[in-house]
Amino acid sequence: DVKVTQSSRYLVKRTGEKVFLECVQDMDHENMFWYRQDPGLGLRLIYFSYDVKMKEKGDIPEGYSVSREKKERFSLILESASTNQTSMYLCATLVGGAEGNQPQHFGDGTRLSIL
Amino acid sequence: QKEVEQNSGPLSVPEGAIASLNCTYSDRGSQSFFWYRQYSGKSPELIMFIYSNGDKEDGRFTAQLNKASQYVSLLIRDSQPSDSATYLCAVNKNRGSTLGRLYFGRGTQLTVWP
Repeated sequence: DVKVTQSSRYLVKRTGEKVFLECVQDMDHENMFWYRQDPGLGLRLIYFSYDVKMKEKGDIPEGYSVSREKKERFSLILESASTNQTSMYLCATLVGGAEGNQPQHFGDGTRLSIL
Repeated sequence: QKEVEQNSGPLSVPEGAIASLNCTYSDRGSQSFFWYRQYSGKSPELIMFIYSNGDKEDGRFTAQLNKASQYVSLLIRDSQPSDSATYLCAVNKNRGSTLGRLYFGRGTQLTVWP
């Protein structure tokens, strides 16, 4: 079974803090993705990565950055957290490689609150 | 125009009925199509995928794809209260820099009442 592990289920941080959300997968997948999910807005892609040190912006990259130093780990960074970044954050990996026909598999999510 | 649109719901059906969830997509070149189920407070889980025109059945679930009409649907037969969840339609364009990227609809909330 694919295992995608997000470091925290719930996280509370303060405005202005630098926040790190970690995602680790154990299946040697090349493609990894970060989404946020908000009521009424659905899943929105923040960033994705198709190889170590490679990244692509998604639809809403502003206020975020990412790091992929090792294949199994993809980190999302909130450079200076703001209250409008309170959300559910979901990490996903591409099952079965980069052929493009494969589904994504999600981690359990991190519910982040910025106070 | 949104990449993927779903009927917004909520959809409410009695136990034992057929639930029909619909999705349209804008890019005619889209290659692969996925249905995810998401329980409240949980992450999405894959329940069906379809690549070719026609029907694909898996237990009580049937996915239907019509590429000419740019339409994909999910039928749930003999609906159970445990099917109550939000269902997300996702589409993969499968080319160039979008390789592997999925475009999601906003989801349809389904309630199955006993």
